[in-house]
Amino acid sequence: EIVLTQSPGTLSLSPGERATLSCRASQSVSSSYLAWYQQKPGQAPRLLIYGASSRATGIPDRFSGSGSGTDFTLTISRLEPEDFAVYYCQQYGSSPTFGQGTKVEIK
Amino acid sequence: QVQLVQSGAEVKKPGSSVKVSCKASGGTFSSYAISWVRQAPGQGLEWMGRIIPILGIANYAQKFQGRVTITADKSTSTAYMELSSLRSEDTAVYYCARAESGYNVVWGQGTLVTVSS
Repeated sequence: EIVLTQSPGTLSLSPGERATLSCRASQSVSSSYLAWYQQKPGQAPRLLIYGASSRATGIPDRFSGSGSGTDFTLTISRLEPEDFAVYYCQQYGSSPTFGQGTKVEIK
Repeated sequence: QVQLVQSGAEVKKPGSSVKVSCKASGGTFSSYAISWVRQAPGQGLEWMGRIIPILGIANYAQKFQGRVTITADKSTSTAYMELSSLRSEDTAVYYCARAESGYNVVWGQGTLVTVSS
């Protein structure tokens, strides 16, 4: 099983600042089968990024993903008030797993 | 636009089973995998398994092998997740999601399953 470790656990930032979230895999993620989701309290997760760097339909371009192999990054270029939430990475190979999440909170 | 609508909240006794349904509307059901993901209170997301309805083949996370069964009824565009031998640690919100090429694009609203004596 591929273990995904996200860091930091919590990110305290102000609106307008840049957020950089990390997701590290215990072994190489094949074909960049890496996705990012956003989840707000009481809601289902929402797909942001798939294939490590492709934005899902309707996702603003302030969200970007990068990385390959074992190291992946989600960047939010300028935080909007609605971006404060929990973010999860997921590898979707033969036996998918999720990271433990990074909470982006208002400083 | 595909929508997934899940069955309502359940309260179960330890040792019993629960079966949660996930009905798809507005799109093609059989061609895409349906995944099941759970989230315990205040915790992260946990992948349980998935099924490709057109093939009727399911695969499960090792942690749930032998305790979870995922099925699909193409005639009603409904997927099911049954979890047996319930214990308190199974208290969680259970989500279904339509997986396109493996990543989960459309999610159900979630079903709270509470296991309590």
